Amino acid sequence: GAVVSQHPSRVICKSGTSVKIECRSLDFQATTMFWYRQFPKQSLMLMATSNEGSKATYEQGVEKDKFLINHASLTLSTLTVTSAHPEDSSFYICSAMGAYEQYFGPGTRLTVT
Amino acid sequence: TQLLEQSPQFLSIQEGENLTVYCNSSSVFSSLQWYRQEPGEGPVLLVTVVTGGEVKKLKRLTFQFGDARKDSSLHITAAQPGDTGLYLCAGVSLYNFNKFYFGSGTKLNVKP
Repeated sequence: GAVVSQHPSRVICKSGTSVKIECRSLDFQATTMFWYRQFPKQSLMLMATSNEGSKATYEQGVEKDKFLINHASLTLSTLTVTSAHPEDSSFYICSAMGAYEQYFGPGTRLTVT
Repeated sequence: TQLLEQSPQFLSIQEGENLTVYCNSSSVFSSLQWYRQEPGEGPVLLVTVVTGGEVKKLKRLTFQFGDARKDSSLHITAAQPGDTGLYLCAGVSLYNFNKFYFGSGTKLNVKP
């Protein structure tokens, strides 16, 4: 139980285009999902908290107009990186909130050329 | 400064050795989780500790939550190459169960 999927696992896009990443809780419902960014050899950096049916809460320094989050159902949250730039290249990880813990997706490697 | 200080940051040991990773804070947490992450993958939950003084064992891994619920340790006995990875601790706020504070991580390399 408590499986979270993420799609795509890898994506390469050109500078200026937008990319959507999906995060799904496969066998449980998640009112709250989280989006993280991780740089090489570092811990997780929380970008935003996504609550089903309401606006996401963004961490300080994260541009809400650039990183659009939608949590349309109890099993799906999406992160759209708009007008991507090479500095947006990173490993993006989502998680879904269980009873006490977060369950993480496998991550999405985004490369912007 | 991080709310949850994790140490050591890096650890490179030989197969068969024992090791301990620490997570320390001056804040009290409602619970604490330990995760392991392998390169290119998402973190995988290892354990959740909730009660002060609690000890949980997962095969060769022993997790302990401090009596005051401010700190935790992970002890690995007879480490194996398969234990290699990034270990992360995460404390949950007393006041908001959706607020997690992650440690900076411990990169463990177990050499055969």
